[in-house]
Amino acid sequence: DQQVKQNSPSLSVQEGRISILNCDYTNSMFDYFLWYKKYPAEGPTFLISISSIKDKNEDGRFTVFLNKSAKHLSLHIVPSQPGDSAVYFCAATGTASKLTFGTGTRLQVTL
Amino acid sequence: EAQVTQNPRYLITVTGKKLTVTCSQNMNHEYMSWYRQDPGLGLRQIYYSMNVEVTDKGDVPEGYKVSRKEKRNFPLILESPSPNQTSLYFCASSFSPGQGLEQYFGPGTRLTVT
Repeated sequence: DQQVKQNSPSLSVQEGRISILNCDYTNSMFDYFLWYKKYPAEGPTFLISISSIKDKNEDGRFTVFLNKSAKHLSLHIVPSQPGDSAVYFCAATGTASKLTFGTGTRLQVTL
Repeated sequence: EAQVTQNPRYLITVTGKKLTVTCSQNMNHEYMSWYRQDPGLGLRQIYYSMNVEVTDKGDVPEGYKVSRKEKRNFPLILESPSPNQTSLYFCASSFSPGQGLEQYFGPGTRLTVT
């Protein structure tokens, strides 16, 4: 039972354009959401997060949007850069002890 | 430098031969966790620890053991490894298990069981 879903395994975007990565969840108890970025041969690194009391959080080129009624969140990267090429995982938590991850989306930013 | 370290980074072993993957963090974090990453399945939690001597099962604990005798260390033990435990393993830690869980991850251990 995949409670956090990333339905696009991969995404290719031109440098300078917007990258939009999507994530859906099924558990209405989730109240905090995070995005992690992972390069090959490295562990995931935290990118940005959002609480369920907000619908948007922005940090530089990265913005996360949360639509609670649709149980959907998205990560926008503007403008996309070649160094953004990585696998992106969304994650959600509703308790203090457990972080549930999606399956990941591989972003390729082309020149 | 604040970091989570794992050893070994790569390991090839045979079915049934006990092994331990070590994890250590130098950030005085209370919370530590183990995940495995498999193609198409993302990261799945194996075990976690809220503090010293406090551990609990995650989503896929079968075939694994952990211990938390010191705050900085959280080893993952495979008593009798099987080929379905071939995977990429990550250890992670965070300051508190409160809201946010912005975990710091180690570099990963790639395990192959033949």
